[in-house]
Amino acid sequence: AQKVTQAQTEISVVEKEDVTLDCVYETRDTTYYLFWYKQPPSGELVFLIRRNSFDEQNEISGRYSWNFQKSTSSFNFTITASQVVDSAVYFCALIVTGANNLFFGTGTRLTVIP
Amino acid sequence: DGGITQSPKYLFRKEGQNVTLSCEQNLNHDAMYWYRQDPGQGLRLIYYSQIVNDFQKGDIAEGYSVSREKKESFPLTVTSAQKNPTAFYLCASSIMSLAGGYTQYFGPGTRLTVL
Repeated sequence: AQKVTQAQTEISVVEKEDVTLDCVYETRDTTYYLFWYKQPPSGELVFLIRRNSFDEQNEISGRYSWNFQKSTSSFNFTITASQVVDSAVYFCALIVTGANNLFFGTGTRLTVIP
Repeated sequence: DGGITQSPKYLFRKEGQNVTLSCEQNLNHDAMYWYRQDPGQGLRLIYYSQIVNDFQKGDIAEGYSVSREKKESFPLTVTSAQKNPTAFYLCASSIMSLAGGYTQYFGPGTRLTVL
């Protein structure tokens, strides 16, 4: 069975602080994909990143970076120099190859205080 | 602009009524999906369709029905058999089946409230 855990329900930071959102996943499959999505107050889920299980390279995109570690089954997301526009709920998700169900974590609500 | 549209944005239903939520995409994606989101929870899969005229049940299909007569459209009907339909409904699509790890893109959602 697959499972995604986002233990941080809510995080508040002051603008310009760095913040890391944790994601721990469980699967017995060796081939899988991990995703991060952002859900702003408007409700639409915005795709941020997709990573397959064979690619453990960290990725940086502007102020966003992702740390994928298979040894700890984690796929953490860091926002550097946070901004008010980063306030949203962030979801981590997992799918194993051959399945059609994307397993979502329960999300982390990030509030950036100006 | 390419994207996914959902209508209406807000929908109110009386108990015992069926309602249909619209989802249209112009991304030329083969696969489409419906999810339900309850407060403080992640998304749960209701139905998905990998190709026109074919669809499969997800984890929580009871009380819902879908059709896929056109590639661009995947409407969801919430029937009176759905005991707790108040939720936020999100439609998504991917270029091909999720089984290949393709990214899903989401619409803006419909918030359904049962009065």
